[in-house]
Amino acid sequence: ETGVTQTPRHLVMGMTNKKSLKCEQHLGHNAMYWYKQSAKKPLELMFVYSLEERVENNSVPSRFSPECPNSSHLFLHLHTLQPEDSALYLCASSQERSELAGGREQFFGPGTRLTVL
Amino acid sequence: GQNIDQPTEMTATEGAIVQINCTYQTSGFNGLFWYQQHAGEAPTFLSYNVLDGLEEKGRFSSFLSRSKGYSYLLLKELQMKDSASYLCAVIDSNYQLIWGAGTKLIIKP
Repeated sequence: ETGVTQTPRHLVMGMTNKKSLKCEQHLGHNAMYWYKQSAKKPLELMFVYSLEERVENNSVPSRFSPECPNSSHLFLHLHTLQPEDSALYLCASSQERSELAGGREQFFGPGTRLTVL
Repeated sequence: GQNIDQPTEMTATEGAIVQINCTYQTSGFNGLFWYQQHAGEAPTFLSYNVLDGLEEKGRFSSFLSRSKGYSYLLLKELQMKDSASYLCAVIDSNYQLIWGAGTKLIIKP
């Protein structure tokens, strides 16, 4: 399998549930990202990992917990979410975070459509 | 604050030309990306501009003016499959990508 994959594609959960989103990249990249995409809003960067170390956390609530066990896998653990957390969660990867400035693009997965009831 | 502005929605006719504008105000500038995102799918890379001028790639072209904080994406010979959202993103001085909300382009026969 090639590119960036995400599972599940759709997830419905209650506010008291605990679930995890999974992302896998088969591109040999060193940087991975979690984004939140809500309707008619800009992509919101949640977490950035570079060589498995978290380098950025854009003030995301603690009910979202990332995990990067190796450079190919990224998880987003969810617990006690709120209805306003319903959104499309996108995972992306790039060769190096700094190389974005050289025009090396991010590759995105298809996303997980999350609905919190 | 940092800001990227794009029109929310545009409509164009199959076979025509459309220009999608993007204006930005960011702390520093290290390049600008355009991505295409079909409904329910991943965003995919279209273009990257870091110097002023026009970059042409087939039916798609992207223009940048750093002094004006302005870019546009030009789509020629529109096809129905071009119906999608088009996202503008700027790399700031901290190598952070600042995203616009995207422009939904509707193509009519």
